Amino acid sequence: QSALTQPASVSGSPGQSITISCTGTSSDIGGYNYVSWSQHQPGKAPKLLIFDVNERPSGVSNRFSGSKSGNTASLTISGLQSEDEADYYCCSYARGSTWAFGGGTKLTVL
Amino acid sequence: QLQLQESGPGLVKPSETLSLTCTVSGGSMNRSGYYWAWIRQSAGEGLEWIGSIYYSGSTYYNPSLKSRVTISIDASKSQFSLKLTSVTAADTAVYYCAREGGHYYVDWWGQGTLVNVSS
Repeated sequence: QSALTQPASVSGSPGQSITISCTGTSSDIGGYNYVSWSQHQPGKAPKLLIFDVNERPSGVSNRFSGSKSGNTASLTISGLQSEDEADYYCCSYARGSTWAFGGGTKLTVL
Repeated sequence: QLQLQESGPGLVKPSETLSLTCTVSGGSMNRSGYYWAWIRQSAGEGLEWIGSIYYSGSTYYNPSLKSRVTISIDASKSQFSLKLTSVTAADTAVYYCAREGGHYYVDWWGQGTLVNVSS
Protein backbone atom coordinates (compact mmCIF):
# COMPACT_ATOMS: atom_id res chain seq x y z
CA GLN A 1 0.00 0.00 0.00
CA SER A 2 1.42 3.33 -1.09
CA ALA A 3 2.13 6.04 1.43
CA LEU A 4 0.46 8.76 -0.66
CA THR A 5 -3.09 8.46 -1.99
CA GLN A 6 -3.93 9.17 -5.62
CA PRO A 7 -7.12 8.43 -7.56
CA ALA A 8 -6.71 5.24 -9.56
CA SER A 9 -7.91 6.87 -12.76
CA VAL A 10 -8.99 10.14 -14.30
CA SER A 11 -10.16 10.96 -17.78
CA GLY A 12 -10.78 13.98 -19.95
CA SER A 13 -11.40 15.01 -23.52
CA PRO A 14 -8.82 16.72 -25.74
CA GLY A 15 -8.51 20.39 -24.88
CA GLN A 16 -9.96 20.01 -21.40
CA SER A 17 -8.11 20.37 -18.10
CA ILE A 18 -7.79 17.69 -15.46
CA THR A 19 -6.36 17.66 -11.95
CA ILE A 20 -4.79 14.71 -10.16
CA SER A 21 -4.65 14.86 -6.39
CA CYS A 22 -2.04 13.32 -4.10
CA THR A 23 -2.89 13.18 -0.42
CA GLY A 24 -0.43 12.54 2.37
CA THR A 25 0.13 13.73 5.92
CA SER A 26 1.95 16.42 7.83
CA SER A 27 4.94 14.05 7.90
CA ASP A 28 5.39 14.20 4.15
CA ILE A 29 3.49 16.49 1.78
CA GLY A 30 2.26 18.83 4.50
CA GLY A 31 5.64 19.22 6.14
CA TYR A 32 7.91 19.90 3.20
CA ASN A 33 7.88 21.61 -0.18
CA TYR A 34 9.49 18.63 -1.86
CA VAL A 35 6.73 17.22 -4.04
CA SER A 36 7.43 15.96 -7.54
CA TRP A 37 5.37 14.43 -10.33
CA SER A 38 6.46 12.02 -13.04
CA GLN A 39 4.84 10.68 -16.21
CA HIS A 40 5.17 6.98 -17.01
CA GLN A 41 4.38 5.62 -20.46
CA PRO A 42 4.91 2.03 -21.69
CA GLY A 43 8.25 1.44 -23.33
CA LYS A 44 9.65 4.81 -22.28
CA ALA A 45 11.78 5.98 -19.40
CA PRO A 46 9.64 7.87 -16.89
CA LYS A 47 9.74 11.65 -17.25
CA LEU A 48 9.93 14.34 -14.58
CA LEU A 49 7.15 16.91 -14.93
CA ILE A 50 7.20 18.92 -11.70
CA PHE A 51 9.62 19.26 -8.78
CA ASP A 52 9.61 21.28 -5.55
CA VAL A 53 5.77 21.41 -5.69
CA ASN A 54 5.43 23.74 -8.67
CA GLU A 55 8.71 23.99 -10.57
CA ARG A 56 8.88 22.76 -14.16
CA PRO A 57 12.11 21.39 -15.61
CA SER A 58 13.39 22.92 -18.79
CA GLY A 59 11.62 21.40 -21.76
CA VAL A 60 8.42 20.42 -19.99
CA SER A 61 5.30 21.99 -21.43
CA ASN A 62 3.67 24.77 -19.42
CA ARG A 63 0.44 22.80 -19.76
CA PHE A 64 1.66 20.92 -16.70
CA SER A 65 1.47 22.71 -13.35
CA GLY A 66 1.74 21.72 -9.71
CA SER A 67 0.38 23.08 -6.45
CA LYS A 68 -0.05 22.15 -2.81
CA SER A 69 -2.55 22.92 -0.07
CA GLY A 70 -2.04 21.43 3.35
CA ASN A 71 -1.41 17.70 3.04
CA THR A 72 -2.59 17.47 -0.58
CA ALA A 73 -0.60 18.16 -3.73
CA SER A 74 -2.11 18.47 -7.17
CA LEU A 75 -1.00 18.13 -10.76
CA THR A 76 -3.04 19.99 -13.37
CA ILE A 77 -2.79 19.27 -17.06
CA SER A 78 -4.43 21.86 -19.27
CA GLY A 79 -5.25 21.57 -22.96
CA LEU A 80 -5.27 17.77 -22.81
CA GLN A 81 -3.63 16.00 -25.73
CA SER A 82 -3.73 12.36 -26.72
CA GLU A 83 -0.04 12.00 -25.97
CA ASP A 84 -0.74 12.88 -22.33
CA GLU A 85 -2.29 9.44 -21.85
CA ALA A 86 -0.03 7.84 -19.23
CA ASP A 87 0.34 6.91 -15.58
CA TYR A 88 1.22 9.79 -13.26
CA TYR A 89 2.97 9.41 -9.91
CA CYS A 90 3.50 11.87 -7.11
CA CYS A 91 6.46 11.71 -4.75
CA SER A 92 7.31 13.55 -1.55
CA TYR A 93 10.14 13.69 0.93
CA ALA A 94 9.00 12.14 4.20
CA ARG A 95 10.15 12.63 7.77
CA GLY A 96 12.95 10.25 8.63
CA SER A 97 14.95 10.91 5.47
CA THR A 98 12.84 8.77 3.22
CA TRP A 99 10.66 9.16 0.14
CA ALA A 100 6.95 8.48 -0.23
CA PHE A 101 5.28 7.71 -3.54
CA GLY A 102 1.67 7.67 -4.60
CA GLY A 103 0.02 4.60 -6.05
CA GLY A 104 -0.26 6.20 -9.48
CA THR A 105 -3.13 7.60 -11.55
CA LYS A 106 -4.00 6.36 -15.01
CA LEU A 107 -5.01 9.21 -17.30
CA THR A 108 -7.27 8.36 -20.22
CA VAL A 109 -7.79 10.91 -22.97
CA LEU A 110 -11.24 10.23 -24.37
CA GLN B 1 21.49 13.70 -22.98
CA LEU B 2 21.95 11.61 -19.88
CA GLN B 3 21.15 7.91 -20.21
CA LEU B 4 20.95 5.29 -17.48
CA GLN B 5 20.85 1.55 -18.17
CA GLU B 6 20.18 -1.18 -15.65
CA SER B 7 21.78 -4.60 -16.03
CA GLY B 8 21.78 -7.83 -14.07
CA PRO B 9 20.04 -11.18 -13.72
CA GLY B 10 16.34 -11.28 -14.43
CA LEU B 11 15.80 -14.26 -12.15
CA VAL B 12 16.98 -14.66 -8.56
CA LYS B 13 16.22 -17.53 -6.19
CA PRO B 14 14.55 -16.92 -2.83
CA SER B 15 17.01 -16.24 0.02
CA GLU B 16 19.74 -15.25 -2.43
CA THR B 17 21.13 -11.79 -3.22
CA LEU B 18 19.78 -9.58 -5.99
CA SER B 19 22.55 -7.62 -7.72
CA LEU B 20 22.04 -4.90 -10.31
CA THR B 21 24.32 -2.36 -11.95
CA CYS B 22 23.43 0.96 -13.52
CA THR B 23 25.66 2.39 -16.23
CA VAL B 24 25.45 6.13 -16.79
CA SER B 25 26.32 7.71 -20.13
CA GLY B 26 26.07 11.20 -21.56
CA GLY B 27 27.41 12.84 -18.40
CA SER B 28 30.13 12.47 -15.78
CA MET B 29 29.46 11.03 -12.35
CA ASN B 30 32.76 12.27 -10.94
CA ARG B 31 32.22 15.24 -8.67
CA SER B 32 28.84 15.61 -10.30
CA GLY B 33 27.15 16.87 -7.15
CA TYR B 34 24.26 14.49 -7.64
CA TYR B 35 22.81 11.57 -5.73
CA TRP B 36 22.07 8.39 -7.70
CA ALA B 37 19.08 6.28 -6.73
CA TRP B 38 17.39 2.89 -6.99
CA ILE B 39 13.60 2.71 -7.13
CA ARG B 40 11.38 -0.29 -7.72
CA GLN B 41 7.82 -1.02 -8.76
CA SER B 42 6.03 -4.27 -8.00
CA ALA B 43 3.30 -5.52 -10.32
CA GLY B 44 0.09 -3.69 -9.52
CA GLU B 45 1.80 -1.64 -6.85
CA GLY B 46 3.17 1.84 -6.72
CA LEU B 47 6.76 2.95 -6.67
CA GLU B 48 9.14 2.38 -3.77
CA TRP B 49 12.38 4.29 -3.22
CA ILE B 50 15.15 1.88 -2.18
CA GLY B 51 18.06 4.19 -1.51
CA SER B 52 20.52 6.72 -2.89
CA ILE B 53 24.26 7.29 -3.09
CA TYR B 54 26.36 10.42 -3.58
CA TYR B 55 29.34 10.38 -5.95
CA SER B 56 31.56 10.41 -2.86
CA GLY B 57 29.95 7.20 -1.56
CA SER B 58 27.65 8.67 1.10
CA THR B 59 24.37 6.74 1.22
CA TYR B 60 20.88 6.91 2.64
CA TYR B 61 18.39 4.08 2.52
CA ASN B 62 14.68 3.41 2.88
CA PRO B 63 14.34 2.44 6.56
CA SER B 64 12.08 -0.48 5.63
CA LEU B 65 14.81 -2.03 3.45
CA LYS B 66 17.95 -0.73 5.12
CA SER B 67 18.94 -4.00 6.78
CA ARG B 68 19.10 -5.77 3.41
CA VAL B 69 20.36 -3.06 1.03
CA THR B 70 23.81 -1.95 -0.05
CA ILE B 71 24.36 0.65 -2.76
CA SER B 72 27.86 1.30 -4.05
CA ILE B 73 29.39 3.53 -6.69
CA ASP B 74 32.35 3.46 -9.07
CA ALA B 75 32.27 6.90 -10.58
CA SER B 76 35.41 6.21 -12.64
CA LYS B 77 33.40 3.55 -14.49
CA SER B 78 30.20 5.65 -14.49
CA GLN B 79 28.42 2.90 -12.61
CA PHE B 80 26.55 2.40 -9.39
CA SER B 81 25.16 -0.84 -8.03
CA LEU B 82 22.45 -2.33 -5.85
CA LYS B 83 22.64 -5.42 -3.66
CA LEU B 84 19.53 -6.68 -1.90
CA THR B 85 20.02 -9.71 0.31
CA SER B 86 17.69 -12.48 1.45
CA VAL B 87 15.15 -11.84 -1.29
CA THR B 88 11.63 -13.23 -1.30
CA ALA B 89 8.81 -13.22 -3.84
CA ALA B 90 7.84 -9.81 -2.47
CA ASP B 91 11.02 -8.40 -3.99
CA THR B 92 9.86 -9.27 -7.50
CA ALA B 93 9.63 -5.92 -9.27
CA VAL B 94 10.83 -3.65 -12.03
CA TYR B 95 13.97 -2.00 -10.71
CA TYR B 96 14.87 1.48 -11.93
CA CYS B 97 18.11 3.35 -11.55
CA ALA B 98 17.83 7.11 -11.54
CA ARG B 99 19.52 10.43 -10.87
CA GLU B 100 18.29 12.72 -8.12
CA GLY B 101 17.97 16.17 -9.62
CA GLY B 102 17.86 17.99 -6.31
CA HIS B 103 15.62 17.80 -3.28
CA TYR B 104 14.33 14.25 -3.29
CA TYR B 105 13.15 13.95 -6.86
CA VAL B 106 14.30 12.07 -9.93
CA ASP B 107 15.16 14.04 -13.02
CA TRP B 108 16.53 11.15 -15.10
CA TRP B 109 15.27 7.56 -15.06
CA GLY B 110 16.51 4.35 -16.60
CA GLN B 111 14.12 2.19 -18.58
CA GLY B 112 13.86 -0.32 -15.73
CA THR B 113 14.65 -4.01 -15.53
CA LEU B 114 12.34 -6.77 -14.32
CA VAL B 115 13.69 -9.04 -11.63
CA ASN B 116 11.73 -12.15 -10.71
CA VAL B 117 12.36 -13.93 -7.43
CA SER B 118 11.47 -17.56 -7.92
CA SER B 119 12.90 -21.01 -7.40
